Amino acid sequence: KAGVTQTPRYLIKTRGQQVTLSCSPISGHRSVSWYQQTPGQGLQFLFEYFSETQRNKGNFPGRFSGRQFSNSRSEMNVSTLELGDSALYLCASSPQPGNTEAFFGQGTRLTVV
Amino acid sequence: EDQVTQSPEALRLQEGESSSLNCSYTVSGLRGLFWYRQDPGKGPEFLFTLYSAGEEKEKERLKATLTKKESFLHITAPKPEDSATYLCAVQALGYSTLTFGKGTMLLVSP
Repeated sequence: KAGVTQTPRYLIKTRGQQVTLSCSPISGHRSVSWYQQTPGQGLQFLFEYFSETQRNKGNFPGRFSGRQFSNSRSEMNVSTLELGDSALYLCASSPQPGNTEAFFGQGTRLTVV
Repeated sequence: EDQVTQSPEALRLQEGESSSLNCSYTVSGLRGLFWYRQDPGKGPEFLFTLYSAGEEKEKERLKATLTKKESFLHITAPKPEDSATYLCAVQALGYSTLTFGKGTMLLVSP
């Protein structure tokens, strides 16, 4: 059974640009959550999607957005990139919201220069 | 607001030297406490979920325990391959998101 797949693995962008990250959950999993990981703040929750609907959103500015497709794949978008957006972005999938086992992908390492 | 504090931030052990990692938490109502292992450049790998005080779970050299205010991850006779960052997270009742601690970086020397 394939795990959670995140693409791309690495990304370098310039301040002011926008970026789209992709996450394909484990087959059969319908809930996808996104987290930002930085050395100073650790893992912080961004958003959660289930059945193409955003269920929860963390305390991040509106530049961070996401969506989920009918096949459960999810994308997150960051517009007007800032240096502080440099981080490892992690996607986690679970069969349904509130499921107590969340499986993480390898993450996308975003560097903003 | 849910909070998770892990200690120590970093721990260096000799191979075979047992120790414990601590995770203190405050949450309105605990649905589950999670332990993950994260290797450099990789996503967190699920280890355990604990649901109620007094519960214990084991996996190879790792044993996780839970009280009403904290959880411990006991590492017995660690090996160099146990070197990683160990993350603790809580899930509150009625919510599905996880609140993470900042992790304990464990280094086991041969």
